[in-house]
Amino acid sequence: GQNIDQPTEMTATEGAIVQINCTYQTSGFNGLFWYQQHAGEAPTFLSYNVLDGLEEKGRFSSFLSRSKGYSYLLLKELQMKDSASYLCAVIKAGDSSYKLIFGSGTRLLVRP
Amino acid sequence: DADVTQTPRNRITKTGKRIMLECSQTKGHDRMYWYRQDPGLGLRLIYYSFDVKDINKGEISDGYSVSRQAQAKFSLSLESAIPNQTALYFCATSATGGGYEQYFGPGTRLTVT
Repeated sequence: GQNIDQPTEMTATEGAIVQINCTYQTSGFNGLFWYQQHAGEAPTFLSYNVLDGLEEKGRFSSFLSRSKGYSYLLLKELQMKDSASYLCAVIKAGDSSYKLIFGSGTRLLVRP
Repeated sequence: DADVTQTPRNRITKTGKRIMLECSQTKGHDRMYWYRQDPGLGLRLIYYSFDVKDINKGEISDGYSVSRQAQAKFSLSLESAIPNQTALYFCATSATGGGYEQYFGPGTRLTVT
């Protein structure tokens, strides 16, 4: 089976740094995505990790530890527009198919 | 123009009605997906298709059917809509091969009364 856990909500201050954690238990792990989703809009791609370590992309970084079943998304220099839900999604491989299994998402509120 | 489009964007229908949601893409991707999103439950996969002749059930396929009319088109049908199918529905596409990101359409908000 598969289980993906993220905090439901987080609050942070404009200009600060926030870390959103994701833990997963899944068979056939083949990589992990982070998506951003503003209310009522489509998810948009932020990052992809398949190997252990940190991937940095501008203000956003994502970390993966496969042995611990753990990832985090780090957002630096927070801006008001970063208020959104952040979705952790695990690629489940097997039986010749690839599927994304999504966590419930973390709703981030950035305050002035 | 958007790469992944969905029609309609909003729909209100009555219990028992048949309804079709359509998805088109210009990205040239072989793989297409239908998800539904409910508050607190995240995105759940309904059906997916890896090419025109390939249809696979996802996590929650009961009460739904799909048709892959062409590489660029993937439609989702609710044969007899029920109120607990009220949700936000997303179509997505991805390139062939493992690990490629999925590109989402703008979503269809469906309400079944």
